[in-house]
Amino acid sequence: SQQGEEDPQALSIQEGENATMNCSYKTSINNLQWYRQNSGRGLVHLILIRSNEREKHSGRLRVTLDTSKKSSSLLITASRAADTASYFCATPLGYTGANSKLTFGKGITLSVRP
Amino acid sequence: DTAVSQTPKYLVTQMGNDKSIKCEQNLGHDTMYWYKQDSKKFLKIMFSYNNKELIINETVPNRFSPKSPDKAHLNLHINSLELGDSAVYFCASSHILTSGGVPGTQYFGPGTRLTVL
Repeated sequence: SQQGEEDPQALSIQEGENATMNCSYKTSINNLQWYRQNSGRGLVHLILIRSNEREKHSGRLRVTLDTSKKSSSLLITASRAADTASYFCATPLGYTGANSKLTFGKGITLSVRP
Repeated sequence: DTAVSQTPKYLVTQMGNDKSIKCEQNLGHDTMYWYKQDSKKFLKIMFSYNNKELIINETVPNRFSPKSPDKAHLNLHINSLELGDSAVYFCASSHILTSGGVPGTQYFGPGTRLTVL
């Protein structure tokens, strides 16, 4: 079953603007991860936020996590054309243990216009 | 320098054929995965191996058979290919558990685009 769902499905912004992407999930989690996929490439891990964290930064990325609302947001500040990609949130299904797995949402297509 | 590599990158074949995709990681990870990404970009896990042992086997037709000869390799063999098998297949690897007991960051290969005619 699908755990995470991103919103919006597609986002088009001008270079220099900020991009905000949201993810909602269904069950309790230990962490939430965001990945980026450039066209024709594999996914690249961006950032992991644990359930006891509310906010995390990495360069131009800012991730928040609200466990009470079961949601997360990814903010990319001062976007660049190179940020054009699909963005996925991923959450573990199965709390811990060898059979725990990451489930991915359907992704958000971000287009940054030069 | 490639962390997770897959071969081939593209695979075009006829229905009914048998094909294999190979995956290798040089990150020293103990867990490897196969994912299928459909045309709508939905990424679904198929299999997971930890230290050469199968630990996750999703609802995948038994025409798909993974094989892990060692911790650094996880191959995927597909028998009797069908049109619906057309997709991009990604291999990934990770340490299975972080210190907090949760799935670690996954590192993905570049993908194999399989087209079944």
